[in-house]
Amino acid sequence: AQSVSQHNHHVILSEAASLELGCNYSYGGTVNLFWYVQYPGQHLQLLLKYFSGDPLVKGIKGFEAEFIKSKFSFNLRKPSVQWSDTAEYFCAVNAEKDTGRRALTFGSGTRLQVQP
Amino acid sequence: DARVTQTPRDKVTEMGQEVTMRCQPILGHNTVFWYRQTMMQGLELLAYFRNRAPLDDSGMPKDRFSAEMPDATLATLKIQPSEPRDSAVYFCASGFWGGHRNTGELFFGEGSRLTVL
Repeated sequence: AQSVSQHNHHVILSEAASLELGCNYSYGGTVNLFWYVQYPGQHLQLLLKYFSGDPLVKGIKGFEAEFIKSKFSFNLRKPSVQWSDTAEYFCAVNAEKDTGRRALTFGSGTRLQVQP
Repeated sequence: DARVTQTPRDKVTEMGQEVTMRCQPILGHNTVFWYRQTMMQGLELLAYFRNRAPLDDSGMPKDRFSAEMPDATLATLKIQPSEPRDSAVYFCASGFWGGHRNTGELFFGEGSRLTVL
């Protein structure tokens, strides 16, 4: 079945530590890939997106993600996290569903807690 | 700034009551999604519309949930009758998808937090 997997459910880091959150998808065709962030009590906001071209995508607030087609992965990275990065991070894929329609499917999310 | 507007922000109701949530998508967007977020299930796609036509509502419990877009500026999600297990945050999101502009990017509203007692 088509799916988006985020393997890390809860990550705790100290400030200045490096971050990498995993995302894998199972769609075989062309996909658009996204990372969304949800700060506590807020709605989802787009962090970065990949449509085509350079597989290394840079987003807001120092985040980047790398699309590795052979691994069906789109991992999110940040070299040095801040306390304000505490949030839930969702990987999402825009691909054709079983119904033949294209929809945005989200992973289960990774809760990042950054300790000062 | 253009944004997706949802009402109500918070709703507390009793089991069996009808609940209607409303969403005003961003002007010019042709695709509207309804998602439900809970601690246990995460983000679940309930239904979505393209140019006001329902494309997929397979994620929605049909016996009690209904979603409509009476016009391009309004999407509604109705639960009748509501049950405690419906307690969640319901997000509406809009985007411009299709053709050469099939970006897949969505803009989310602030959500409607529903509590069914």
